[in-house]
Amino acid sequence: NAGVTQTPKFQVLKTGQSMTLQCAQDMNHNSMYWYRQDPGMGLRLIYYSASEGTTDKGEVPNGYNVSRLNKREFSLRLESAAPSQTSVYFCASSELWSGNTIYFGEGSWLTVV
Amino acid sequence: QKEVEQNSGPLSVPEGAIASLNCTYSDRGSQSFFWYRQYSGKSPELIMSIYSNGDKEDGRFTAQLNKASQYVSLLIRDSQPSDSATYLCADHLGAQKLVFGQGTRLTINP
Repeated sequence: NAGVTQTPKFQVLKTGQSMTLQCAQDMNHNSMYWYRQDPGMGLRLIYYSASEGTTDKGEVPNGYNVSRLNKREFSLRLESAAPSQTSVYFCASSELWSGNTIYFGEGSWLTVV
Repeated sequence: QKEVEQNSGPLSVPEGAIASLNCTYSDRGSQSFFWYRQYSGKSPELIMSIYSNGDKEDGRFTAQLNKASQYVSLLIRDSQPSDSATYLCADHLGAQKLVFGQGTRLTINP
């Protein structure tokens, strides 16, 4: 019973490099999310996808792009990584909004040097 | 002003006492709120949700919502060392946007 699976778990990037964080959920949820978490800042929403085929910006979308590949998968891409993007990234999913629980993946620790 | 505000702590409580965690929100139209617990190095896990004014109890946890004053609180009775974690308050702002406060770090002292 995997739930929400993120890869990679750890990554070190050089400034200017690009990379994609992958996320997949096996709960048949419609909605998926990408958050970042920095010390003392809580979780901040980067992008979300309310349903397959749609994506919307959250609080901090600059420097990121997303793709909702199908109902299961939602990827986050850093086109040109910057040290300010050093953070822990969480993917999450939920049923279409009715106050339903959001389930989180285990997180991806990204360091940009 | 952040949409959801929490005191970042740390909050220290002796074992067996009641831990009280507070959260304020800015959107008067907000309808639903969540409390998540996050252990160091782990992902957040849901403790409770609350949608109506008043109290909601689940075991040792009680969530309180006061829409007139725009605050949400979480009480943990008979605190245990295993309750030591960061507690995140979240406001569902609609359109699938769940907005979090910065979290309160709680330490239960044996």
